[in-house]
Amino acid sequence: GAVVSQHPSRVICKSGTSVKIECRSLDFQATTMFWYRQFPKQSLMLMATSNEGSKATYEQGVEKDKFLINHASLTLSTLTVTSAHPEDSSFYICSAQRGQGAYEQYFGPGTRLTVT
Amino acid sequence: GQNIDQPTEMTATEGAIVQINCTYQTSGFNGLFWYQQHAGEAPTFLSYNVLDGLEEKGRFSSFLSRSKGYSYLLLKELQMKDSASYLCAVRLRDYKLSFGAGTTVTVRA
Repeated sequence: GAVVSQHPSRVICKSGTSVKIECRSLDFQATTMFWYRQFPKQSLMLMATSNEGSKATYEQGVEKDKFLINHASLTLSTLTVTSAHPEDSSFYICSAQRGQGAYEQYFGPGTRLTVT
Repeated sequence: GQNIDQPTEMTATEGAIVQINCTYQTSGFNGLFWYQQHAGEAPTFLSYNVLDGLEEKGRFSSFLSRSKGYSYLLLKELQMKDSASYLCAVRLRDYKLSFGAGTTVTVRA
């Protein structure tokens, strides 16, 4: 099966600092990766769509200058939360899609971010 | 905007059957997914429906009616490990997934 990893699994940072989260597809090439955020007892909210070699597409209400996304290769996408604040504390999950015709997104294990 | 509704919570007894309904009104439709999510973990794929009808996969079945904007996930022979949140997600024409708020299922002995 397809495996997607995320690193780190948990991170605690101080307010005002930046945090980078990596999402890797381990055994397939992902033309598209998605970044989601999930607050406690809520569902997944799509933040942005990341396509290899092009700029990410952000959902309405998501600040592109605060959540920097880089999809430098077909197996790696990174999300950087810049100048993090306590309200950014959340569960960040990435998913990867093999190709445009593929129907399934494979989810990473998630990253728990806590900003103090 | 997208509107995907599912019940917040359901409780059932071990060995029983539970049906989780999902209704949707979305700008475009390209399939419906059901995911299982345990607390603090990422969602895991359960089923995918793009045509009307019932898809059966072991203890789990999923049904879709596109004309009614309706789907359900049927969990049979419930086990304690089935206690989790179940997410209904609609795939839109641009391949994005729009998720419902999730249904927390509690299985009691």
